[in-house]
Amino acid sequence: NAGVTQTPKFQVLKTGQSMTLQCAQDMNHNSMYWYRQDPGMGLRLIYYSASEGTTDKGEVPNGYNVSRLNKREFSLRLESAAPSQTSVYFCASSEARTGRNYGYTFGSGTRLTVV
Amino acid sequence: KNEVEQSPQNLTAQEGEFITINCSYSVGISALHWLQQHPGGGIVSLFMLSSGKKKHGRLIATINIQEKHSSLHITASHPRDSAVYICAFTSLDFGNEKLTFGTGTRLTIIP
Repeated sequence: NAGVTQTPKFQVLKTGQSMTLQCAQDMNHNSMYWYRQDPGMGLRLIYYSASEGTTDKGEVPNGYNVSRLNKREFSLRLESAAPSQTSVYFCASSEARTGRNYGYTFGSGTRLTVV
Repeated sequence: KNEVEQSPQNLTAQEGEFITINCSYSVGISALHWLQQHPGGGIVSLFMLSSGKKKHGRLIATINIQEKHSSLHITASHPRDSAVYICAFTSLDFGNEKLTFGTGTRLTIIP
């Protein structure tokens, strides 16, 4: 089925370890996003990519890096994980164009625990 | 300061009841989104609207741009409707590329 695929679904890291969350979409969307979801808070934007080759910081970028490898793939890297990064991470994509709005498609989420 | 507020935060109802979830926002928007998240699950987009009303099956979404208010209605509610419903918007200031999310309404439908 077409959509957004995230891996892994679950991960436990020790403080200081690094890891990369992978995201791929097969809908030929231009824009891709990484969000984190914490209890009692709305989803918050970490980074986004409006097109292949471009990335921009969102609301909570500290401690993360991203790579828009090609139009399909947008990865999120934690270089030195901290307990504050324990969260559920969602990747999303949209065919956003100036002056118009399109819907968003979300991945199934990655539940990350940093101990 | 929350730019989008949802009410109620939690809602429990009997199967078959008519459900209303409200969303108020404080900035100019280009579109309002309703999303559904089942426990432990991913997020599914239900509606995207910038005016009027949309209907899909038993779900109806309305928006009043002047009052900066949107509602999600569920008719003939069913236990499978139990989920968190999230309101979100794309704002005019930021263009069409980023969403601002509410904290969600947790709906539980009892058989």
